[in-house]
Amino acid sequence: AQKITQTQPGMFVQEKEAVTLDCTYDTSDPSYGLFWYKQPSSGEMIFLIYQGSYDQQNATEGRYSLNFQKARKSANLVISASQLGDSAMYFCAVTSGSRLTFGEGTQLTVNP
Amino acid sequence: GAGVSQSPRYKVAKRGQDVALRCDPISGHVSLFWYQQALGQGPEFLTYFQNEAQLDKSGLPSDRFFAERPEGSVSTLKIQRTQQEDSAVYLCASRIHRVKDNEQFFGPGTRLTVL
Repeated sequence: AQKITQTQPGMFVQEKEAVTLDCTYDTSDPSYGLFWYKQPSSGEMIFLIYQGSYDQQNATEGRYSLNFQKARKSANLVISASQLGDSAMYFCAVTSGSRLTFGEGTQLTVNP
Repeated sequence: GAGVSQSPRYKVAKRGQDVALRCDPISGHVSLFWYQQALGQGPEFLTYFQNEAQLDKSGLPSDRFFAERPEGSVSTLKIQRTQQEDSAVYLCASRIHRVKDNEQFFGPGTRLTVL
């Protein structure tokens, strides 16, 4: 079975600063994918970034980057230059067959 | 719109009633998923379709839950004899291809409250 652990229930960051959201995973699949999704208070799940287990380089998408450490089974999300609109719940997920297995999320609050 | 749509957005049911939740995936998306998200939790997998075939229903919590996608596009999640523990947001997602690492696009969800 796959498992995702997000150890930070809540995080606070000042606007324009960078923040790292932690994610560790456990999977027996030799090939897997890691995803980060953002869920604002309105409820929709918004895809942010993807990292394949065989990708040599860390994924980046604009202000988002994924710090992938395969040996440690860690896939932390780094948000640079935080904006007020980044305040939301953030979920890490791993592919498990075709399904996604999600962590419990981290509530990020960006302070002005 | 081009995204995944779900209806109704909100549903209140009395305990024991049957409910039907609808998902319209992005046109042309082969794969369709249903997830259940309890308050304060991450989404949990319920079931998966590839076209009209239900390939995985291992996440359905009981035989009161039933999902279908008869023509390989719109899907319906049906819950019979609803219980209070069924209260949650039900999320539908679609994916363009069966390759597992393609992004899943989520709909806005249906919030079900069972009284």
